[in-house]
Amino acid sequence: GAVVSQHPSRVICKSGTSVKIECRSLDFQATTMFWYRQFPKQSLMLMATSNEGSKATYEQGVEKDKFLINHASLTLSTLTVTSAHPEDSSFYICSAAAGGRQETQYFGPGTRLLVL
Amino acid sequence: AQSVTQPDIHITVSEGASLELRCNYSYGATPYLFWYVQSPGQGLQLLLKYFSGDTLVQGIKGFEAEFKRSQSSFNLRKPSVHWSDAAEYFCAVGAKNNNDMRFGAGTRLTVKP
Repeated sequence: GAVVSQHPSRVICKSGTSVKIECRSLDFQATTMFWYRQFPKQSLMLMATSNEGSKATYEQGVEKDKFLINHASLTLSTLTVTSAHPEDSSFYICSAAAGGRQETQYFGPGTRLLVL
Repeated sequence: AQSVTQPDIHITVSEGASLELRCNYSYGATPYLFWYVQSPGQGLQLLLKYFSGDTLVQGIKGFEAEFKRSQSSFNLRKPSVHWSDAAEYFCAVGAKNNNDMRFGAGTRLTVKP
């Protein structure tokens, strides 16, 4: 089956630093990757849709300058949380879709970010 | 826009008992419906999905769900729960040609020995 990995699985950083999270589709080419955020005991909220070779589309209320997304290849997308603050602490999950549709997405295992 | 409601935040069942997790959606046209399972600290795994056709959908791990248009529901069922089924379950609704999938708040399942 389709496998999506995320790295790191867990990261702790100081306030003001930037953190990069990688999302890789290991056995298929993903034209589209999705980035979600999940607060404790809550559901997933779509942050942005990333298409290979083009700019990401951000959901309303998500700061594109704070959450930088790069989808440089068909197997890799990165999310960089710039100048992280404690309120950015969350569980970030990516998914990858070969056909570009959410209904065909495969989820990564998530990255737990804690900003001190 | 579509939305989905999972009325039960937490459900506890005994191992071997049957399970039904409720999901109600709101969408003007025929929805795409999904059930995902999430273990602690993990991403989501697709259990099953409904796009069209037979309204009773079979999924992995012995789960099934039934699409009932008249009730705007897509409840998840399993005849006999195993301890390994303890997890968080999310219902999601999507629309054709639209990357705007909405997830429910989730139902946490606890399985008693």
